[in-house]
Amino acid sequence: EPEVTQTPSHQVTQMGQEVILRCVPISNHLYFYWYRQILGQKVEFLVSFYNNEISEKSEIFDDQFSVERPDGSNFTLKIRSTKLEDSAMYFCASSSFSLRDGRSFGSGTRLTVV
Amino acid sequence: QKEVEQDPGPLSVPEGAIVSLNCTYSNSAFQYFMWYRQYSRKGPELLMYTYSSGNKEDGRFTAQVDKSSKYISLFIRDSQPSDSATYLCANAPGGESGAGSYQLTFGKGTKLSVIP
Repeated sequence: EPEVTQTPSHQVTQMGQEVILRCVPISNHLYFYWYRQILGQKVEFLVSFYNNEISEKSEIFDDQFSVERPDGSNFTLKIRSTKLEDSAMYFCASSSFSLRDGRSFGSGTRLTVV
Repeated sequence: QKEVEQDPGPLSVPEGAIVSLNCTYSNSAFQYFMWYRQYSRKGPELLMYTYSSGNKEDGRFTAQVDKSSKYISLFIRDSQPSDSATYLCANAPGGESGAGSYQLTFGKGTKLSVIP
């Protein structure tokens, strides 16, 4: 069964450094998303991406964040200057056209900012 | 305000028990109601999907939505140790089609342990 893959599974970075989290969505999906989950907290929406542009973003997704689909398969989340409070699990997800298919989530990247 | 509330538990039941998991929400615009299961150190996995009010059954799982009281339930019959996970309810607004871009609003999740 096709799945969303994310790399790396764990990333440790120093405060102020840039990080890029990588995702390969399911190949025939059209919508791509990033969510994050701070330890012990809710899964929170960051951004959705469709047709090579951001379709929706939350208040969390400020100027420090950006997303890109550099080629036909990868989808990346960049955090420009990491802060301690960016430490969280970051989940990439993808879906087909209709919400009834749900979102397929990857296993996540655990980002630790020290 | 987009809020979804869940009792975080933990909830511990013996194998074979019927489990009832619940969510409340405040946003009347929500039309899609989903239950996800999340195992430790894994991403959420879609279990059940419901559009608008009503019941939906899939094997041992039944999802119920009562929009008048803004209350969502997931029932698990004949619970198994493999059902031990965190169960997240998630909602989204929107119409019947073209809703792929709508953001999901998650509850905090209820941690379930099924004891053999």
